[in-house]
Amino acid sequence: GAGVSQSPSNKVTEKGKDVELRCDPISGHTALYWYRQSLGQGLEFLIYFQGNSAPDKSGLPSDRFSAERTGGSVSTLTIQRTQQEDSAVYLCASSSPSGGRYNEQFFGPGTRLTVL
Amino acid sequence: GDSVTQMEGPVTLSEEAFLTINCTYTATGYPSLFWYVQYPGEGLQLLLKATKADDKGSNKGFEATYRKETTSFHLEKGSVQVSDSAVYFCALKSEKLVFGKGTKLTVNP
Repeated sequence: GAGVSQSPSNKVTEKGKDVELRCDPISGHTALYWYRQSLGQGLEFLIYFQGNSAPDKSGLPSDRFSAERTGGSVSTLTIQRTQQEDSAVYLCASSSPSGGRYNEQFFGPGTRLTVL
Repeated sequence: GDSVTQMEGPVTLSEEAFLTINCTYTATGYPSLFWYVQYPGEGLQLLLKATKADDKGSNKGFEATYRKETTSFHLEKGSVQVSDSAVYFCALKSEKLVFGKGTKLTVNP
């Protein structure tokens, strides 16, 4: 079956521009996560959506970052007025409603963002 | 808050060598522990997991044992292959999934 997909796979933008990154989770998965993977910094949690609950935005690094999840499925991560330090790989993951807190997260291939 | 510390890389080994990648954690409560692997050009994949103390996770010849007394979850493999070259991430999950910084492994033929 289809896994988590993300688009675009690569994005190069100029400093100050806005970018939108898209994530299509696995069908039926109610939980969706965004992470940022910077060189030498590991994975940094950004935001978490679970069903119809209010999202956990505690990992967003600044108010330039926002995310939406429409219809409980597709999610868009928006970065406004991009800065060079925003350059990273942005990973999306989803997990199923079953399995409780031990449930596995399935990751997409990521979007590599480069801010010039 | 919860955190994961894993050995810094890069780690370079010859084929058939023994591998250990150390991972220790700090958490309140009783987290689940995971190792994820990221092969070149691919997304993160779950390699193995353990959900309670003394559990051993295993997959593809890799093993890790949940040690509550030492708060550790070290990854081991008895004989690595070139195809094991990847970045390995240790992670814990209580409320959220918290990752270590990753360890890059290169296995030379």
